[in-house]
Amino acid sequence: GENVEQHPSTLSVQEGDSAVIKCTYSDSASNYFPWYKQELGKGPQLIIDIRSNVGEKKDQRIAVTLNKTAKHFSLHITETQPEDSAVYFCAASMGTGNQFYFGTGTSLTVIP
Amino acid sequence: GAVVSQHPSRVICKSGTSVKIECRSLDFQATTMFWYRQFPKQSLMLMATSNEGSKATYEQGVEKDKFLINHASLTLSTLTVTSAHPEDSSFYICSARDLRTGGQPQHFGDGTRLSIL
Repeated sequence: GENVEQHPSTLSVQEGDSAVIKCTYSDSASNYFPWYKQELGKGPQLIIDIRSNVGEKKDQRIAVTLNKTAKHFSLHITETQPEDSAVYFCAASMGTGNQFYFGTGTSLTVIP
Repeated sequence: GAVVSQHPSRVICKSGTSVKIECRSLDFQATTMFWYRQFPKQSLMLMATSNEGSKATYEQGVEKDKFLINHASLTLSTLTVTSAHPEDSSFYICSARDLRTGGQPQHFGDGTRLSIL
């Protein structure tokens, strides 16, 4: 089955700096890669996603890049703010009917 | 956007009690819902896939007689933890696929914190 690895497990940045979280996947059949933000005591909320036919996607301060050849994808958050502090999960999926395989999570702390 | 409501948000009960958790898709129909378990500071572990009108598919190692899943309508799936014990204490989260968007992404509820005394 699919194996998703995520790094780093914890990340601290100064407010205004950029944060980058990286994930790798093992199965080349995976074609959908969402990123979720989970705040304490809450369920994960989708922040951005990318499909395998696209190399990069951006939504305001958040961007995701995908390298299919190397089987890795990254989340980039620019101009970080304290409210960006949360746990971020990447995931990979092989199709509309299939389950998500989640990374192990990254705890991001933005220091004011 | 698609909203998934999960209830209750928190349950504290005695050992041996059975607990039912509801997962509802509020503004869309979900033929498939997923149930996850999350331990502190860990990732989401898929427990089972809930299919409307049919039996749930359980992941390896998950006891189907312990975690009963019913998906009786296109907007409601329930997870019942039967005869719960302290080791069942965890954060349980459901998600649903919105077929209007091709089933991706999954939309998550806010989870249920289950504490067994």
